[in-house]
Amino acid sequence: DADVTQTPRNRITKTGKRIMLECSQTKGHDRMYWYRQDPGLGLQLIYYSFDVKDINKGEISDGYSVSRQAQAKFSLSLESAIPNQTALYFCATSDFEVNEQFFGPGTRLTVL
Amino acid sequence: QKEVEQDPGPLSVPEGAIVSLNCTYSNSAFQYFMWYRQYSRKGPELLMYTYSSGNKEDGRFTAQVDKSSKYISLFIRDSQPSDSATYLCAMSLDGGTSYGKLTFGQGTILTVHP
Repeated sequence: DADVTQTPRNRITKTGKRIMLECSQTKGHDRMYWYRQDPGLGLQLIYYSFDVKDINKGEISDGYSVSRQAQAKFSLSLESAIPNQTALYFCATSDFEVNEQFFGPGTRLTVL
Repeated sequence: QKEVEQDPGPLSVPEGAIVSLNCTYSNSAFQYFMWYRQYSRKGPELLMYTYSSGNKEDGRFTAQVDKSSKYISLFIRDSQPSDSATYLCAMSLDGGTSYGKLTFGQGTILTVHP
């Protein structure tokens, strides 16, 4: 079984809809991250969490919110989706060593 | 200007070629330098990890850091079709404190053809 799983893998939605992307991990890591990837822009950090009670904004948090339900679960929400949020979204985890991050398979989100 | 710049390519080489992938950066406080590899429809995975300046070798891969020039490189010797992927450089200020987080380059798409 994969160590970092993301659901759904693909999602098509309409402008204005609320969307939740979920991430679960079995690596036992405390630290979890959400990134988005756009062609030509690389990976941009949306939110990160160093433990259940610690959540921090990344470079591009506007329009997104997160919830850390447990050590193993970290969800990303788009309260009112807009077309420029169409992207590939990755969840990642790490232990204390933040430079080695383990990524999930990604969620391809399309907002029409 | 982005903190980390990486030529997006795409780069296409024949099997067996030596590949050079590069990133430049503007923040002289970066101390840790990584290369992640991302296969199509997969998440990135850590390939190489170096601290400060110098070289690190792992099989066919060599990572090089020149902090004086704010320039890092990844060399792939005897490239194989299985090396076809997107390569992302990443950097951080430190390794494990609560301040640590990664800044990624745009990624270079590499294709190695038989």
